[in-house]
Amino acid sequence: DTAVSQTPKYLVTQMGNDKSIKCEQNLGHDTMYWYKQDSKKFLKIMFSYNNKELIINETVPNRFSPKSPDKAHLNLHINSLELGDSAVYFCASSRIENTEAFFGQGTRLTVV
Amino acid sequence: ELKVEQNPLFLSMQEGKNYTIYCNYSTTSDRLYWYRQDPGKSLESLFVLLSNGAVKQEGRLMASLDTKARLSTLHITAAVHDLSATYFCAVAMNRDDKIIFGKGTRLHILP
Repeated sequence: DTAVSQTPKYLVTQMGNDKSIKCEQNLGHDTMYWYKQDSKKFLKIMFSYNNKELIINETVPNRFSPKSPDKAHLNLHINSLELGDSAVYFCASSRIENTEAFFGQGTRLTVV
Repeated sequence: ELKVEQNPLFLSMQEGKNYTIYCNYSTTSDRLYWYRQDPGKSLESLFVLLSNGAVKQEGRLMASLDTKARLSTLHITAAVHDLSATYFCAVAMNRDDKIIFGKGTRLHILP
């Protein structure tokens, strides 16, 4: 059983398109996150949700919109994709805020 | 704002040698994590350090935390090729919800 699962694993799309990445965790955790890892492998937090409520919204373009239908799911929707959005996006979850995070396998987004 | 700095960022070493990766952070925190990432893979939790003086060991890796110095170390003993990976430290801010990652140390162990 995969604890934190993301789909799709790879996503290649053209500039200007809208795409979504889905994330689900079966650990019963209260907090979920989205991280972006760029080509230099730097990891930066984008969003944090606790029990479906947005806790952290870092300085990301408002083309990125997270949605949490329930505490086991945190999806990421991206509008009007740009070349600079190409990266690996990781979903993660933790039992409560700031405790050990468990990561999904990542979604490699390539915008062409 | 919390800053987390790791050094070195790149490390190439021979099998059998010992080395230490350092993680400094800029504000008070009592939670520090070490993760491992293999190329093209996800992040795997290695250690969770929750108090000053905490030391944890798993195989050839040992992590420690000095909250007064705002420093954690990841020590590698008698390195083997299988330990080649990128190692990240991450720090949780007190009374906040952020976990901030260092830039990672890319470790390459030569057979």
